[in-house]
Amino acid sequence: EVQLLESGGGLVQPGGSLRLSCEASGFTFSSYAMSWVRQAPGKGLEWVSSISASGVSTYSADSVKGRFTISRDSSRNTLFLQMNNLRAEDTAVYFCARVNSTNQYGPQAPWGQGTLVTVSS
Amino acid sequence: AIQMTQSPSSLSASVGDRVTITCRASQGIGNDLGWYQQKPGKAPKLLIYGASSLESGVPSRFSGRASGTDFTLTISSLQPEDFGSYYCLQDYNYPYTFGQGTKLEIK
Repeated sequence: EVQLLESGGGLVQPGGSLRLSCEASGFTFSSYAMSWVRQAPGKGLEWVSSISASGVSTYSADSVKGRFTISRDSSRNTLFLQMNNLRAEDTAVYFCARVNSTNQYGPQAPWGQGTLVTVSS
Repeated sequence: AIQMTQSPSSLSASVGDRVTITCRASQGIGNDLGWYQQKPGKAPKLLIYGASSLESGVPSRFSGRASGTDFTLTISSLQPEDFGSYYCLQDYNYPYTFGQGTKLEIK
């Protein structure tokens, strides 16, 4: 069974940092691109960042560019999101998702259960 | 960035009704569009990919169609378990963009 398990969320002050992890199991992690998507409380879904299967190519939303960095460690089957200089508007549930295709573009499936990040003083 | 305009933002329908949700892309995206269902407090779930292909395990009452830059998700006969929010997502190029979402309520 394909599973994605996020961790690392929590309460952080504005300007602080946090690193999210997403542990994958049940599939060949190194063969798939991966993504982070977030959802602010009561709001819609917002794509945050994606990384190619090899890890060579990364893509990020303008809202997080220069502050968030996506990476992966295929030896640990784990996806990361390093979040620096956090702002109140980054408060959201962060989901990881597999890009369900043979290239770096495609639908997102499955998704993890999400981890909540709260940025507040 | 490609903008996805989704409508309606909310709708209320009865069991057995036919329901249609629409997304319009601001430019051509081929058929690179997916539809996702999200129940409160849960992760989104892929229903349709490639505009019209049904994800494995998804009931056949869900269908998708593309016409140029317009995309529709149809539920042929609404069931009680279909409540929740629905989102389109263009995966044609980065940055990926979601529609604003449609909250579906069962009357």
